[in-house]
Amino acid sequence: AQSVTQPDIHITVSEGASLELRCNYSYGATPYLFWYVQSPGQGLQLLLKYFSGDTLVQGIKGFEAEFKRSQSSFNLRKPSVHWSDAAEYFCAVGAMEYGNKLVFGAGTILRVKS
Amino acid sequence: DTAVSQTPKYLVTQMGNDKSIKCEQNLGHDTMYWYKQDSKKFLKIMFSYNNKELIINETVPNRFSPKSPDKAHLNLHINSLELGDSAVYFCASSQATVHNYGYTFGSGTRLTVV
Repeated sequence: AQSVTQPDIHITVSEGASLELRCNYSYGATPYLFWYVQSPGQGLQLLLKYFSGDTLVQGIKGFEAEFKRSQSSFNLRKPSVHWSDAAEYFCAVGAMEYGNKLVFGAGTILRVKS
Repeated sequence: DTAVSQTPKYLVTQMGNDKSIKCEQNLGHDTMYWYKQDSKKFLKIMFSYNNKELIINETVPNRFSPKSPDKAHLNLHINSLELGDSAVYFCASSQATVHNYGYTFGSGTRLTVV
């Protein structure tokens, strides 16, 4: 069965600093991997996704993520964080053979200090 | 213009009542889902439908009954509401092709049972 671990419950970074949010997954085949962002009281917005090919994927809002098969990781990065990036971030792994089910990690809350 | 819309946005009700949440998508997707987000923000799939056919039915009490009158709608009916049903319920949709795989979420329905 698929599973996702986001080891950091909270992360605080200064505005303008770089950011890396960690995600480790467990899945037997080539995974489909996603990062979503949820602002308070809002739904989830897709930041980026990985299916195959180039292991460094670019997303919206200046985010990127790198797929590392050897480490079963899909970490999210941003070179310079803005105050508006404060939100909760969810990593997810999908399997089309299981009815397109997405399994989410527990989320990482990002706080940005000025 | 809203891609996935849920109604109502907020629902406060007493224990033992029956309530419904409606979801509609105008993206032409063929698969729709219900997810529950608990107080710890953990997202767990409840159901998914593909072209009106039930595909995923996770371990959910049978007080919860999804209904899909057509592929653009997926409603959730809950009987005999309990305190533990309080959560945010998200509807989502997706297209089941590799390059379009990834959910579009509604903005959620916050259910409070008192």
